[in-house]
Formats: sequence, C-alpha cells, structure tokens
Amino acid sequence: DQQVKQNSPSLSVQEGRISILNCDYTNSMFDYFLWYKKYPAEGPTFLISISSIKDKNEDGRFTVFLNKSAKHLSLHIVPSQPGDSAVYFCAATPPGRDDKIIFGKGTRLHILP
Amino acid sequence: GAGVSQSPSNKVTEKGKDVELRCDPISGHTALYWYRQRLGQGLEFLIYFQGNSAPDKSGLPSDRFSAERTGESVSTLTIQRTQQEDSAVYLCASSLVGGSLGYTFGSGTRLTVV
Repeated sequence: DQQVKQNSPSLSVQEGRISILNCDYTNSMFDYFLWYKKYPAEGPTFLISISSIKDKNEDGRFTVFLNKSAKHLSLHIVPSQPGDSAVYFCAATPPGRDDKIIFGKGTRLHILP
Repeated sequence: GAGVSQSPSNKVTEKGKDVELRCDPISGHTALYWYRQRLGQGLEFLIYFQGNSAPDKSGLPSDRFSAERTGESVSTLTIQRTQQEDSAVYLCASSLVGGSLGYTFGSGTRLTVV
C-alpha cells in the first residue's frame, strides 16, 4: 500500500527548460512533504520541503507546489542544469511523526544537452 | 568524520549466511535511522533510534532483522539467514534531533544475496 506515489519512473528534459516532477499521496493528514535528490552510489540529500499548511515554497531554481485537494505535489526546477540529473524522491511525514519519513519510489531525471 | 559513514559499501553473501552492516552517525546526532531500497522500490523505513528511548522497530520486515545502537554512536544492522529478497541498498541516516528535516544519509551498503 503505497502512501506516496511517483508514477513516472523517469523523465528527460532539455537543458535550460523546466523540469516538473510529480507526486501523489493518499494520507490527507501528512504534516510535511519533502524532496530528496540522489546521485548514484551516494545517499539521498535533502532538497526542499513544504508544510501541509502552505501551497508553495521556493528556493532558488527549485519550487515545490502543494495541492491538498488533489493530494498532489510537484517539484519544478528551472532552468534545468546537467547537474540536476539524479533520482528524485518525494517523501512525507505522518501526522505527529516528523521523525519518520515515507518515501516514494523515485523518478530518474535526465537532463539532455 | 563530517558525514554518516557506512561499511561495507558492498557485500555479497550466500543465501543462509548472516551479515552485519555498520553505521557511524555524525557525532552528536541523537537520532539514527535505517532504511533499505530494493530494486525499483522506494526507501523503506526499517528502524529508528532516538537517544536512550526504546527504538521504533515497526519497519523491520521479519525477526531475521535486528539492530543495535550503543548510546549515541555506532549502530549495526544484522540480518540472519539471509534470503535473496534481502538484496537491497541499506541506508543509514542520522539527525540532531528526531526531525525528518535534518536527516543526513550515508552512502549505503549494497547487499547482494546469491
């Protein structure tokens, strides 16, 4: 029973264009949503987060949008750069348990030259 | 060291053997987590240690899996009588307090059971 779903296993985007990574979730009570980035042979690194009480959070080239009614969030990267090629994990924290993260399966992003 | 250190980085073992995976958290981090990622799957929570509290073992998949942590230092994850479905990357993370926003992950141990 996947509570956090990333339905696209991979995505290819031209360098300089916008990358949009999507994520759906089932538990309307999640407190926080997070995006992690993972390079091969390295552990995931925290990228950006959003509280469930907000609908947008921006940090440089990265913006996360939250649509609570649709139980959907997305990560926008603009402009996309070669170093953005990685696996991106969407994640969420259960209510009252910000010490525990539930991860999606990840989306592999390829930035094309 | 500055980061979370895991050893070994790779381990190949025969089905039925026991394996022990090690995690050195960032010094001073009170919370330590183990996750695993099987091929094509997301990161699956296994166990969580926070200070001297009883660990949250709710993610351990079977009684063949156990983990220990001495104080706020090293943790070992032990898998007994390994099975092929145990093949995965086992990731350790630590944080200063029990908060997901401060996770720092290690590079993982890739376990292959043959």
